[in-house]
Amino acid sequence: DTAVSQTPKYLVTQMGNDKSIKCEQNLGHDTMYWYKQDSKKFLKIMFSYNNKELIINETVPNRFSPKSPDKAHLNLHINSLELGDSAVYFCASSSLARGPPRNYGYTFGSGTRLTVV
Amino acid sequence: DAKTTQPTSMDCAEGRAANLPCNHSTISGNEYVYWYRQIHSQGPQYIIHGLKNNETNEMASLIITEDRKSSTLILPHATLRDTAVYYCIVRVGANNLFFGTGTRLTVIP
Repeated sequence: DTAVSQTPKYLVTQMGNDKSIKCEQNLGHDTMYWYKQDSKKFLKIMFSYNNKELIINETVPNRFSPKSPDKAHLNLHINSLELGDSAVYFCASSSLARGPPRNYGYTFGSGTRLTVV
Repeated sequence: DAKTTQPTSMDCAEGRAANLPCNHSTISGNEYVYWYRQIHSQGPQYIIHGLKNNETNEMASLIITEDRKSSTLILPHATLRDTAVYYCIVRVGANNLFFGTGTRLTVIP
């Protein structure tokens, strides 16, 4: 069973459209994340979210919004897509609820390659 | 979280040990050293982490110097499937994971 699954794997869309990427984790983790990897391969955190707190990277445009219907899901909605949004988006999860010696390791999904044309 | 410095790229012969260095001279006492890797087109994968003592698991060994200002990730018998970008990350507990540029390891047949 896939621990962190993202859909779709590939997404091609036109500028100005609104799209969503879904993420689900079956690990029982309490925190989920979205990362963006651009063409230069830099991995940047966009959001971290648990049932208590949403932390937004201040550089993320407000066209991007995470939606979490429950602890196992964190979807990414993107409005008015721009060419610069083309990238690979990774979802991840971890468990922060338990103290040491937990390693707070992240489990990543396989990514969604978004191409805006 | 402390900054890390890694070589941009390294090569390793298949079957030999791959030793990937990382400098983290500004590390503080409560920061852990984490290693992740990203194989082409896949999501990053956790490898190992440590605080002070050397650590070993089924994937790799982590050697941390006594002053904790540097560490080395060791893949004891590198295979072609170990070709990836390896990230050394210093992090306090449950803080968010920030990735640098990493080391691109190429395992050569």
